[in-house]
Amino acid sequence: VQLVQSAAELKEPGASVKVSCSTSGYIFTDYSIHWLRQAPGQGLEWLGWIIPNTGGTNYARMLQGRFTMTLHRSISTAYMELTSLTSDDTAVYYCVREYSPGLNADYWGQGTLVTVSS
Amino acid sequence: QSALTQPRSVSGSPGQSVTISCTGTSSDVGYYDYVSWYQQHPGEVPKLILFDVYKRPSGVPDRFSGSKSGNTASLTISGLQTEDEGDYYCCSFTGRSYVFGGGTTVTVL
Repeated sequence: VQLVQSAAELKEPGASVKVSCSTSGYIFTDYSIHWLRQAPGQGLEWLGWIIPNTGGTNYARMLQGRFTMTLHRSISTAYMELTSLTSDDTAVYYCVREYSPGLNADYWGQGTLVTVSS
Repeated sequence: QSALTQPRSVSGSPGQSVTISCTGTSSDVGYYDYVSWYQQHPGEVPKLILFDVYKRPSGVPDRFSGSKSGNTASLTISGLQTEDEGDYYCCSFTGRSYVFGGGTTVTVL
Protein backbone atom coordinates (compact mmCIF):
# COMPACT_ATOMS: atom_id res chain seq x y z
CA VAL A 1 0.00 0.00 0.00
CA GLN A 2 1.28 3.45 -0.90
CA LEU A 3 -0.10 6.95 -0.80
CA VAL A 4 2.06 9.40 -2.75
CA GLN A 5 1.31 13.10 -2.60
CA SER A 6 2.20 15.90 -4.96
CA ALA A 7 5.17 18.19 -4.41
CA ALA A 8 5.43 21.22 -2.16
CA GLU A 9 3.66 24.41 -3.21
CA LEU A 10 4.35 28.10 -2.66
CA LYS A 11 1.29 30.26 -3.06
CA GLU A 12 0.46 33.92 -2.63
CA PRO A 13 -2.32 35.00 -0.28
CA GLY A 14 -5.71 34.75 -1.98
CA ALA A 15 -4.63 31.98 -4.33
CA SER A 16 -5.81 28.38 -4.43
CA VAL A 17 -3.89 25.12 -4.09
CA LYS A 18 -4.71 21.60 -5.22
CA VAL A 19 -2.90 18.62 -3.73
CA SER A 20 -3.09 15.11 -5.13
CA CYS A 21 -2.83 11.77 -3.34
CA SER A 22 -2.06 8.88 -5.66
CA THR A 23 -2.81 5.48 -4.11
CA SER A 24 -1.69 1.97 -5.03
CA GLY A 25 -1.55 -1.53 -3.59
CA TYR A 26 -5.20 -1.82 -2.59
CA ILE A 27 -8.70 -1.43 -3.99
CA PHE A 28 -9.22 2.34 -4.00
CA THR A 29 -12.97 2.19 -3.46
CA ASP A 30 -12.72 -0.03 -0.38
CA TYR A 31 -11.38 2.59 2.06
CA SER A 32 -12.16 6.19 2.96
CA ILE A 33 -9.54 8.90 2.53
CA HIS A 34 -9.09 11.62 5.15
CA TRP A 35 -7.19 14.88 4.82
CA LEU A 36 -5.31 16.34 7.78
CA ARG A 37 -2.90 19.21 8.17
CA GLN A 38 -0.18 20.27 10.57
CA ALA A 39 1.01 23.86 10.78
CA PRO A 40 4.70 24.41 11.61
CA GLY A 41 5.35 23.43 15.21
CA GLN A 42 1.66 22.76 15.80
CA GLY A 43 -0.61 19.76 16.22
CA LEU A 44 -2.75 17.77 13.82
CA GLU A 45 -6.00 19.15 12.45
CA TRP A 46 -8.69 17.11 10.72
CA LEU A 47 -9.98 18.67 7.49
CA GLY A 48 -12.42 16.18 6.03
CA TRP A 49 -13.05 12.76 4.59
CA ILE A 50 -14.25 11.31 1.31
CA ILE A 51 -15.69 7.88 0.59
CA PRO A 52 -14.31 6.69 -2.76
CA ASN A 53 -17.10 4.15 -3.21
CA THR A 54 -19.91 6.71 -3.09
CA GLY A 55 -18.16 10.06 -3.39
CA GLY A 56 -19.73 11.10 -0.11
CA THR A 57 -17.87 13.79 1.82
CA ASN A 58 -17.72 15.36 5.25
CA TYR A 59 -15.88 18.61 5.92
CA ALA A 60 -14.57 20.31 9.02
CA ARG A 61 -16.85 23.25 9.73
CA MET A 62 -14.10 25.85 9.96
CA LEU A 63 -13.05 25.25 6.35
CA GLN A 64 -16.44 24.77 4.76
CA GLY A 65 -16.75 26.84 1.66
CA ARG A 66 -12.99 26.94 0.99
CA PHE A 67 -12.12 23.24 1.03
CA THR A 68 -13.12 20.64 -1.53
CA MET A 69 -12.22 16.97 -1.85
CA THR A 70 -12.55 15.09 -5.14
CA LEU A 71 -11.63 11.77 -6.70
CA HIS A 72 -10.39 10.32 -9.96
CA ARG A 73 -11.35 6.67 -9.50
CA SER A 74 -9.83 5.42 -12.74
CA ILE A 75 -6.36 6.40 -11.51
CA SER A 76 -7.02 5.75 -7.79
CA THR A 77 -6.24 9.33 -6.87
CA ALA A 78 -7.79 11.71 -4.37
CA TYR A 79 -7.47 15.48 -4.45
CA MET A 80 -7.98 18.35 -2.05
CA GLU A 81 -8.31 21.98 -3.04
CA LEU A 82 -8.16 24.94 -0.70
CA THR A 83 -9.10 28.42 -1.91
CA SER A 84 -8.63 31.99 -0.63
CA LEU A 85 -5.38 31.02 1.05
CA THR A 86 -3.99 33.00 3.98
CA SER A 87 -0.79 32.60 5.96
CA ASP A 88 -2.78 30.54 8.48
CA ASP A 89 -3.10 27.84 5.83
CA THR A 90 0.66 27.29 5.75
CA ALA A 91 1.04 23.67 6.82
CA VAL A 92 1.94 20.15 5.81
CA TYR A 93 -1.14 18.51 4.34
CA TYR A 94 -1.55 14.72 4.67
CA CYS A 95 -3.87 12.24 3.02
CA VAL A 96 -4.47 9.09 5.03
CA ARG A 97 -6.27 5.82 4.41
CA GLU A 98 -8.87 4.89 6.99
CA TYR A 99 -8.67 1.13 7.53
CA SER A 100 -11.81 1.03 9.69
CA PRO A 101 -14.26 3.61 11.10
CA GLY A 102 -12.77 5.82 13.77
CA LEU A 103 -9.89 7.29 11.78
CA ASN A 104 -7.92 4.08 12.07
CA ALA A 105 -5.35 5.64 9.73
CA ASP A 106 -3.07 2.80 8.80
CA TYR A 107 -1.33 4.38 5.81
CA TRP A 108 -0.27 7.98 5.30
CA GLY A 109 0.96 10.04 2.43
CA GLN A 110 4.38 11.60 2.86
CA GLY A 111 2.84 15.05 3.32
CA THR A 112 2.77 18.11 1.07
CA LEU A 113 4.07 21.41 2.42
CA VAL A 114 1.92 24.32 1.33
CA THR A 115 3.47 27.69 2.06
CA VAL A 116 1.38 30.82 1.73
CA SER A 117 3.52 33.92 1.44
CA SER A 118 3.79 37.06 -0.64
CA GLN B 1 -15.54 21.76 17.71
CA SER B 2 -12.97 22.41 20.46
CA ALA B 3 -9.74 20.46 20.51
CA LEU B 4 -9.39 17.64 23.01
CA THR B 5 -7.29 18.53 26.06
CA GLN B 6 -3.93 16.86 26.57
CA PRO B 7 -1.07 17.78 28.92
CA ARG B 8 1.66 19.66 27.08
CA SER B 9 4.37 17.33 28.29
CA VAL B 10 5.09 14.27 30.38
CA SER B 11 8.39 12.68 31.26
CA GLY B 12 9.78 9.56 32.82
CA SER B 13 12.92 7.53 33.24
CA PRO B 14 13.62 4.42 31.17
CA GLY B 15 11.56 1.52 32.46
CA GLN B 16 8.98 3.70 34.16
CA SER B 17 5.37 4.15 33.10
CA VAL B 18 3.78 7.36 31.90
CA THR B 19 0.15 8.13 31.21
CA ILE B 20 -1.22 10.76 28.85
CA SER B 21 -4.78 11.92 29.35
CA CYS B 22 -7.11 13.13 26.62
CA THR B 23 -10.20 14.94 27.82
CA GLY B 24 -13.16 15.68 25.62
CA THR B 25 -16.89 15.93 26.15
CA SER B 26 -19.93 13.70 26.32
CA SER B 27 -20.36 14.37 22.59
CA ASP B 28 -17.06 12.91 21.50
CA VAL B 29 -14.74 10.91 23.80
CA GLY B 30 -17.53 10.19 26.26
CA TYR B 31 -19.97 8.97 23.63
CA TYR B 32 -17.96 7.11 21.01
CA ASP B 33 -15.38 4.37 21.35
CA TYR B 34 -13.63 5.77 18.30
CA VAL B 35 -10.58 7.16 20.06
CA SER B 36 -7.22 6.76 18.39
CA TRP B 37 -3.67 7.73 19.33
CA TYR B 38 -0.79 8.74 17.09
CA GLN B 39 2.93 8.94 17.76
CA GLN B 40 5.11 11.40 15.86
CA HIS B 41 8.87 11.65 15.92
CA PRO B 42 10.47 14.93 14.78
CA GLY B 43 10.37 15.34 11.02
CA GLU B 44 8.38 12.15 10.51
CA VAL B 45 4.85 11.25 9.49
CA PRO B 46 2.57 10.38 12.44
CA LYS B 47 2.02 6.70 13.17
CA LEU B 48 -1.12 5.05 14.52
CA ILE B 49 -0.43 3.28 17.82
CA LEU B 50 -3.94 2.70 19.22
CA PHE B 51 -7.46 2.70 17.74
CA ASP B 52 -10.95 2.04 19.10
CA VAL B 53 -9.65 3.20 22.53
CA TYR B 54 -7.37 0.25 23.27
CA LYS B 55 -6.68 -1.80 20.14
CA ARG B 56 -3.10 -1.99 18.83
CA PRO B 57 -2.26 -2.24 15.13
CA SER B 58 0.02 -5.06 14.15
CA GLY B 59 3.61 -4.30 15.09
CA VAL B 60 2.90 -1.86 17.91
CA PRO B 61 4.52 -3.07 21.16
CA ASP B 62 2.19 -4.15 23.97
CA ARG B 63 3.77 -1.60 26.31
CA PHE B 64 1.33 0.84 24.69
CA SER B 65 -2.14 0.51 26.17
CA GLY B 66 -5.32 2.56 26.13
CA SER B 67 -8.41 3.03 28.22
CA LYS B 68 -11.34 5.34 28.66
CA SER B 69 -13.40 6.56 31.58
CA GLY B 70 -16.19 9.03 31.07
CA ASN B 71 -15.02 11.88 28.87
CA THR B 72 -11.32 11.08 29.30
CA ALA B 73 -9.24 8.62 27.33
CA SER B 74 -5.74 7.64 28.39
CA LEU B 75 -2.62 6.26 26.78
CA THR B 76 -0.16 4.47 29.03
CA ILE B 77 3.37 3.64 28.01
CA SER B 78 4.80 0.96 30.29
CA GLY B 79 8.51 0.20 30.44
CA LEU B 80 9.43 3.51 28.81
CA GLN B 81 12.17 3.30 26.21
CA THR B 82 14.27 6.04 24.63
CA GLU B 83 12.61 5.49 21.25
CA ASP B 84 9.27 6.42 22.83
CA GLU B 85 10.32 10.07 22.92
CA GLY B 86 8.16 12.16 20.67
CA ASP B 87 4.78 13.79 20.33
CA TYR B 88 1.52 11.96 20.95
CA TYR B 89 -1.90 12.99 19.71
CA CYS B 90 -5.31 11.65 20.59
CA CYS B 91 -8.26 11.84 18.21
CA SER B 92 -11.97 11.25 18.67
CA PHE B 93 -15.01 10.92 16.45
CA THR B 94 -17.63 13.59 17.13
CA GLY B 95 -20.57 12.18 15.22
CA ARG B 96 -19.89 13.91 11.92
CA SER B 97 -16.24 14.89 12.15
CA TYR B 98 -13.05 14.22 14.05
CA VAL B 99 -11.16 16.30 16.58
CA PHE B 100 -7.56 16.01 17.74
CA GLY B 101 -5.90 16.86 21.00
CA GLY B 102 -3.21 19.51 21.08
CA GLY B 103 -0.48 16.94 21.53
CA THR B 104 1.77 15.79 24.35
CA THR B 105 5.55 15.68 24.22
CA VAL B 106 7.00 12.64 25.94
CA THR B 107 10.54 13.03 27.24
CA VAL B 108 12.63 10.11 28.43
CA LEU B 109 14.94 11.40 31.15
